Amino acid sequence: DAGVTQSPTHLIKTRGQHVTLRCSPISGHKSVSWYQQVLGQGPQFIFQYYEKEERGRGNFPDRFSARQFPNYSSELNVNALLLGDSALYLCASSLSDRGIEETQYFGPGTRLLVL
Amino acid sequence: GQNIDQPTEMTATEGAIVQINCTYQTSGFNGLFWYQQHAGEAPTFLSYNVLDGLEEKGRFSSFLSRSKGYSYLLLKELQMKDSASYLCAVRDITDSWGKLQFGAGTQVVVTP
Repeated sequence: DAGVTQSPTHLIKTRGQHVTLRCSPISGHKSVSWYQQVLGQGPQFIFQYYEKEERGRGNFPDRFSARQFPNYSSELNVNALLLGDSALYLCASSLSDRGIEETQYFGPGTRLLVL
Repeated sequence: GQNIDQPTEMTATEGAIVQINCTYQTSGFNGLFWYQQHAGEAPTFLSYNVLDGLEEKGRFSSFLSRSKGYSYLLLKELQMKDSASYLCAVRDITDSWGKLQFGAGTQVVVTP
């Protein structure tokens, strides 16, 4: 079975531009979460979606938005890019949000560089 | 809010044992996860503890004490491929469902 997939793998943008990152969860998983990981730090929670509804949002500005589609894939959008948005963006999926089923499995990430 | 603390780096010899400690403070604890992350790659799931005690999975074991806000990951019979960052993550249900709060990671260096 395919794991979590993300696209693109790498992206270079300039300040002020916007970016859309995509994620396809493991087949059968209904929950998708997004994380930002800056070099040398652990991933920071951005959003979680379950059954197409936003369940939680981390401490990120409104420039960050996301959505989940009927097929449970998801997009993360970032507007008005800043240099500090340069990071590895990770998508994680889980079956649900209960018990061991809540184990999140990560995709390979999208490495974003803002110049 | 919460803090998750783990050592920055640990070095051990091939074949040895290393124990990575993690302490946390959270208001909505609902499970603790350990992930392994090789440089430039995504985190991969290692273990999950929600009740006190020891969970063993091959060369890896994880322990949890909820009353002490403490966990450790034990890596036995170290191999060179175990050189990686090990992330401790707490599931917090205070503000949302399934949100994971990660520590900064412990870089384990295995030497020959």
